Amino acid sequence: DTEVTQTPKHLVMGMTNKKSLKCEQHMGHRAMYWYKQKAKKPPELMFVYSYEKLSINESVPSRFSPECPNSSLLNLHLHALQPEDSALYLCASSLRLEKLFFGSGTQLSVL
Amino acid sequence: GESVGLHLPTLSVQEGDNSIINCAYSNSASDYFIWYKQESGKGPQFIIDIRSNMDKRQGQRVTVLLNKTVKHLSLQIAATQPGDSAVYFCAENIGGSQGNLIFGKGTKLSVKP
Repeated sequence: DTEVTQTPKHLVMGMTNKKSLKCEQHMGHRAMYWYKQKAKKPPELMFVYSYEKLSINESVPSRFSPECPNSSLLNLHLHALQPEDSALYLCASSLRLEKLFFGSGTQLSVL
Repeated sequence: GESVGLHLPTLSVQEGDNSIINCAYSNSASDYFIWYKQESGKGPQFIIDIRSNMDKRQGQRVTVLLNKTVKHLSLQIAATQPGDSAVYFCAENIGGSQGNLIFGKGTKLSVKP
């Protein structure tokens, strides 16, 4: 299995909603990442987990809350988002902190 | 030819021609570089990587060249095919042991049949 699986593929939420994005990999990778990508822009790093511990938080607002329940799973909990948070959210994993494998992303729209 | 649009540089090539996509990176301490291909509606897909102790690496139909003197990276695609049409991103690892992979602006490659 060489895939990073993200669910849901699309999500529409209101500014008062609470939702979660999920990511799963079974490649034995010990690093997992969340990136945010706006249209026609490069992915921007949000969080890095290494061995299930948060190692990088790129000054992301607290309305985004990551969670790594185990080495195969990564969640991103969303609460009180703003319309400008609408974007493609990408999960990635890597064996070492280099060659990242990406999922197809969750396209998020905040109304 | 290559043109710079409002948001994304675009490179348009004829099918069968070779393509060269360029990237200027920012940090002279970066020691690892990757090229990704991103098709519409999909996540970035790994193409090829190179470490800073090398200046050239070849894959299947692709070659990456690294010039550390001028902080420049290029991706060459031989015999470009319509399926190569996508946005291409270079990325540099500036965090060493921390996994801080920073992406460049991206170039949209359009292949004309």
